[in-house]
Amino acid sequence: KQEVTQIPAALSVPEGENLVLNCSFTDSAIYNLQWFRQDPGKGLTSLLLIQSSQREQTSGRLNASLDKSSGRSTLYIAASQPGDSATYLCAVSIGRDDKIIFGKGTRLHILP
Amino acid sequence: EPEVTQTPSHQVTQMGQEVILRCVPISNHLYFYWYRQILGQKVEFLVSFYNNEISEKSEIFDDQFSVERPDGSNFTLKIRSTKLEDSAMYFCASRLGQASYEQYFGPGTRLTVT
Repeated sequence: KQEVTQIPAALSVPEGENLVLNCSFTDSAIYNLQWFRQDPGKGLTSLLLIQSSQREQTSGRLNASLDKSSGRSTLYIAASQPGDSATYLCAVSIGRDDKIIFGKGTRLHILP
Repeated sequence: EPEVTQTPSHQVTQMGQEVILRCVPISNHLYFYWYRQILGQKVEFLVSFYNNEISEKSEIFDDQFSVERPDGSNFTLKIRSTKLEDSAMYFCASRLGQASYEQYFGPGTRLTVT
């Protein structure tokens, strides 16, 4: 059974720092991996999607990497800003039209 | 930019009552999903729907739950007889098709069962 784990559960860093959020999954037979952002009481905003054949994706200050064989992904945020404060969710899809399995998230707080 | 919408944003109901949560997926999308998130817990898959039928459902999605696409735009989740433990945020998502794998999520409906 696929399990997704995110470490750390919470993180506080000063504004301007670069940071890395970690995600691991137990079954490497994934179709793709997505990183989402969730603001308190709000919906899920997709940040990046990496296909299983890809190694990384970049969008602005965000870079996500995928090492499928070791079951790991990282989300790198450069030059963090207070507006980046949110919960970041890692999720894997195990089939073309199949469900997404989510991690519990990392709650990020950027200190002004 | 097209987006998934959900109504209502918050629904309060008494235990045992039926509720219908509504979603309007992005207009040309073909795959539809419901997820839920109990406060403080992970987002959990409930059901996927394609070509007017359920593709997959989780063990949470028992006989009390049903989904429907009554017309070309709406996608609904019905809970027949709500329980206290059904209190959660319910998210609808849609995906374009076979060649596009990104799921787009709506803002959610917060369901409170009293």
